[in-house]
Amino acid sequence: AQKVTQAQTEISVVEKEDVTLDCVYETRDTTYYLFWYKQPPSGELVFLIRRNSFDEQNEISGRYSWNFQKSTSSFNFTITASQVVDSAVYFCALSEALGGSNYKLTFGKGTLLTVNP
Amino acid sequence: DARVTQTPRDKVTEMGQEVTMRCQPILGHNTVFWYRQTMMQGLELLAYFRNRAPLDDSGMPKDRFSAEMPDATLATLKIQPSEPRDSAVYFCASGLGISGRVNEQFFGPGTRLTVL
Repeated sequence: AQKVTQAQTEISVVEKEDVTLDCVYETRDTTYYLFWYKQPPSGELVFLIRRNSFDEQNEISGRYSWNFQKSTSSFNFTITASQVVDSAVYFCALSEALGGSNYKLTFGKGTLLTVNP
Repeated sequence: DARVTQTPRDKVTEMGQEVTMRCQPILGHNTVFWYRQTMMQGLELLAYFRNRAPLDDSGMPKDRFSAEMPDATLATLKIQPSEPRDSAVYFCASGLGISGRVNEQFFGPGTRLTVL
């Protein structure tokens, strides 16, 4: 069965610190996709990134970067120079094939990041 | 910009009452998902529609929950009768399903349901 583990339940940092959120996954699919979503205090889930299993290149978007390591089944997320606005719950998710071209997402339990001024 | 909309945003009801939650997916999206979020269970998939047809509702308690898509612009999730354990935030998400590709899902703001 698909499984996504976000071992860090809560992380607290001071503004401008770098922080890495861990995500480890288990899957039997040979082709799969990984996602990160952000859920700020307002409650809405915001899509951050999608990565397919064939693309192991790291990605950087502004202060955000993602490190995909297929060998260790990890897809970690780093925020550089954190800001108070980064405070949110961050979810890692994994696609699961349902047959045909259909799929669903399995979400981790989330990591609550608090950035203090 | 295009967003998934959900109504109502908040709903307080008494045990035994019927609850209907509505979702308008992003225009052009052909997949719709219903999720439930609780502190204990996290985000759970309840139902999944593709081109308005239900594909997976294995996560949904069948005796009291039902999900439908009467047309491409409306998805509904109904609970009848509601119970206190149904208290949660219910999210609708939509996406563009393309063969051979898994695209991101865009989430609505959620409906916070409280059953007393």
